[in-house]
Amino acid sequence: GAVVSQHPSRVICKSGTSVKIECRSLDFQATTMFWYRQFPKQSLMLMATSNEGSKATYEQGVEKDKFLINHASLTLSTLTVTSAHPEDSSFYICSAVSSGAWDNEQFFGPGTRLTVL
Amino acid sequence: DQQVKQNSPSLSVQEGRISILNCDYTNSMFDYFLWYKKYPAEGPTFLISISSIKDKNEDGRFTVFLNKSAKHLSLHIVPSQPGDSAVYFCAASGSGGSNYKLTFGKGTLLTVNP
Repeated sequence: GAVVSQHPSRVICKSGTSVKIECRSLDFQATTMFWYRQFPKQSLMLMATSNEGSKATYEQGVEKDKFLINHASLTLSTLTVTSAHPEDSSFYICSAVSSGAWDNEQFFGPGTRLTVL
Repeated sequence: DQQVKQNSPSLSVQEGRISILNCDYTNSMFDYFLWYKKYPAEGPTFLISISSIKDKNEDGRFTVFLNKSAKHLSLHIVPSQPGDSAVYFCAASGSGGSNYKLTFGKGTLLTVNP
């Protein structure tokens, strides 16, 4: 089956530092990947759409200069949280759509728990 | 404005009985609906989906019903098993084709008691 991995699974950092999260599709190519954020007891909120070889599309209210997205290959997208602050602490989840998909099924990674001290 | 609503934050069911999880949506442009299951600190796992051209889709113990006029869908799990205990998210997307953006509800925590 389609597998999406995320690294790291958990990260704790000091306020003001930058953190990079990787999202990889392990057994399929993904022209489109998505980045979500989930606060406790809330729904997954789409942050941005990452398209291989082009700029990411950010949802309203998401600062593109703070959440840098790079989709350099068909199997890898990275999210960098720049100058992280405690309010950025959240569960970040990526998903990927297979290049050959005919429906809207997305495969989700296991998530990354970010804690900013 | 919440475009996908799951009004029940939690549901408790006895093992072997039916679990019914409900979801309402407001955006008429949504034409594809999905249910995901999620355990704590893990990513969502796809369960079942339905296109707006259908009113029912069945996969084993899971059946999704769609009522377009009411903008309502439900997930039925029969029979419920303790391993089904998790948070269930309803999600919707619109315009099919290359538009894969999903809008999620807040989820319903299902607890199946042995």
